[in-house]
Amino acid sequence: KQEVTQIPAALSVPEGENLVLNCSFTDSAIYNLQWFRQDPGKGLTSLLLIQSSQREQTSGRLNASLDKSSGRSTLYIAASQPGDSATYLCAVHSSGTYKYIFGTGTRLKVLA
Amino acid sequence: DTAVSQTPKYLVTQMGNDKSIKCEQNLGHDTMYWYKQDSKKFLKIMFSYNNKELIINETVPNRFSPKSPDKAHLNLHINSLELGDSAVYFCASSQDLGQGYTFGSGTRLTVV
Repeated sequence: KQEVTQIPAALSVPEGENLVLNCSFTDSAIYNLQWFRQDPGKGLTSLLLIQSSQREQTSGRLNASLDKSSGRSTLYIAASQPGDSATYLCAVHSSGTYKYIFGTGTRLKVLA
Repeated sequence: DTAVSQTPKYLVTQMGNDKSIKCEQNLGHDTMYWYKQDSKKFLKIMFSYNNKELIINETVPNRFSPKSPDKAHLNLHINSLELGDSAVYFCASSQDLGQGYTFGSGTRLTVV
């Protein structure tokens, strides 16, 4: 049974810092892994999707990596801004299933 | 223009009532989902439909009944609402296995 864990649960950083959010999963047989952002009271916005055959994906200041064999993914945010404050969710799509298993999220606060 | 739209956005109702939440996607995706986000912000899948066929039913009480009249719509009907049903319900869609999700903005259900 796939389990997804995100560390840390919460993080506060000053503006301008580079930071890393971690996601680990127990079953390496996956189709893909997707990182989402959720603002308070809002829906989920897709940030990056990494297929199982890929090692990383980049979009602007965001870079997500995937190490399937060790069951880990990281989301790197460069030069953080107050507008990056949100909850970041990692979701893993296990092979042979029609569902994502979500992590518990990392609540990020970037201080101006 | 909204890719995945849910209605209503907010729903406040009394215990014992029956209510429905509607979801429509205009992305041409084959698969649609309902997820529940509890008070601790944890997202868990409830149902998944692929081409109008139910493919996932995650031990959800049978008071919850999804209906997919066509590929673009997946509605959620809830009978005899209970206090514990209060949560945010998210609809999502994906093209197929191995593809990323697009989420709706959520329906906040409050049972009083």
